[in-house]
Amino acid sequence: DVKVTQSSRYLVKRTGEKVFLECVQDMDHENMFWYRQDPGLGLRLIYFSYDVKMKEKGDIPEGYSVSREKKERFSLILESASTNQTSMYLCASSPLGREGLTGELFFGEGSRLTVL
Amino acid sequence: KQEVTQIPAALSVPEGENLVLNCSFTDSAIYNLQWFRQDPGKGLTSLLLIQSSQREQTSGRLNASLDKSSGRSTLYIAASQPGDSATYLCAVSLTLYSGAGSYQLTFGKGTKLSVIP
Repeated sequence: DVKVTQSSRYLVKRTGEKVFLECVQDMDHENMFWYRQDPGLGLRLIYFSYDVKMKEKGDIPEGYSVSREKKERFSLILESASTNQTSMYLCASSPLGREGLTGELFFGEGSRLTVL
Repeated sequence: KQEVTQIPAALSVPEGENLVLNCSFTDSAIYNLQWFRQDPGKGLTSLLLIQSSQREQTSGRLNASLDKSSGRSTLYIAASQPGDSATYLCAVSLTLYSGAGSYQLTFGKGTKLSVIP
């Protein structure tokens, strides 16, 4: 079975702190994603990576950065956490489909971040 | 821009009933469509993936169908159980190739299903 592991299920941070959210997948998938999920807004893509050291902005990249130094690991970084970044963060991975399209998506358990 | 709609937003049924969840999308140029289940406070669990060339997929009591021409997919759940209570989301992947790896995935906002014992 594909396993996507997010390092922290629950985090509480203070405004202005630097926050790292780690995600590891064990299926050698090319694509990795970070989403945030908020009530009424659904899932919104923050960043996407299709290869090591490659990244692309999603719909809401402001206030976030990412790092992908190894194929299996994709990190989300909040440089200076703010209260409006309180949310559920979901990491996902997928293999490449034909012509670089996105294959089946697998999610981690989520990280619930609260910024005080 | 692709839009994915799931109606109703919430559904309550008695245990044992067969039910259908709906997913509609505006752009029929899709690569695949995926159904997920999400339990409260958890991540999404993949249920079924339908490639654009397929009409349906089955897994146990679940059957998902795809009609690209009408922009619709349905998830049929047979003999519902209280353990089926969750939010069900669909997501479509477009065939648009961006040249830098395509990530054109669009999610619906989900249907919250409650199965009453």
